[in-house]
Amino acid sequence: AQKITQTQPGMFVQEKEAVTLDCTYDTSDPSYGLFWYKQPSSGEMIFLIYQGSYDQQNATEGRYSLNFQKARKSANLVISASQLGDSAMYFCAMRDHNTDKLIFGTGTRLQVFP
Amino acid sequence: KAGVTQTPRYLIKTRGQQVTLSCSPISGHRSVSWYQQTPGQGLQFLFEYFSETQRNKGNFPGRFSGRQFSNSRSEMNVSTLELGDSALYLCASKDTAGTYNEQFFGPGTRLTVL
Repeated sequence: AQKITQTQPGMFVQEKEAVTLDCTYDTSDPSYGLFWYKQPSSGEMIFLIYQGSYDQQNATEGRYSLNFQKARKSANLVISASQLGDSAMYFCAMRDHNTDKLIFGTGTRLQVFP
Repeated sequence: KAGVTQTPRYLIKTRGQQVTLSCSPISGHRSVSWYQQTPGQGLQFLFEYFSETQRNKGNFPGRFSGRQFSNSRSEMNVSTLELGDSALYLCASKDTAGTYNEQFFGPGTRLTVL
């Protein structure tokens, strides 16, 4: 069965510093997609970044980058130069190859302090 | 383009009642998925509709149902509400021709069952 594991319930980071949010996954499918979403207190899930299993390079989107280590089955999110507005829940998710549904981890609550 | 909209944003019901939630996808998106988010179970997939047909279904009882209209708007219905149905219900739409096939989420409907 496919599974996403986020072992950090909460993380603190000082403004302007970088932070890494951990995500490991389990799947037997050779083709899969990995996503990171941000969920502010308002509830909306905001798409941040995507990594395909066959992508040769790590994905980057502005201040977000994904440290993809396929052999270790990890897809950690790196946020550079943290901002106060980055405080939110962050979810790692994997797309089920057969059904196309998203399987989410339990999330990491990131708090950025001045 | 306007984002995914969900109505109502907040809802309070009592046990035994039924409820209907509405979701309007991004214009041009034909796939709509529903997710339930609770503190205990996290984010769980309910079902997906594509071109008015249910394409995939999660592991929820038959009290949870949905439908999609010809304009891609979707509704989900929960009958005989239970206390455990209290949750944030998120709707997501997808452009199947998109680059990453990513799902774009609405702000959610927060349902409280008393």
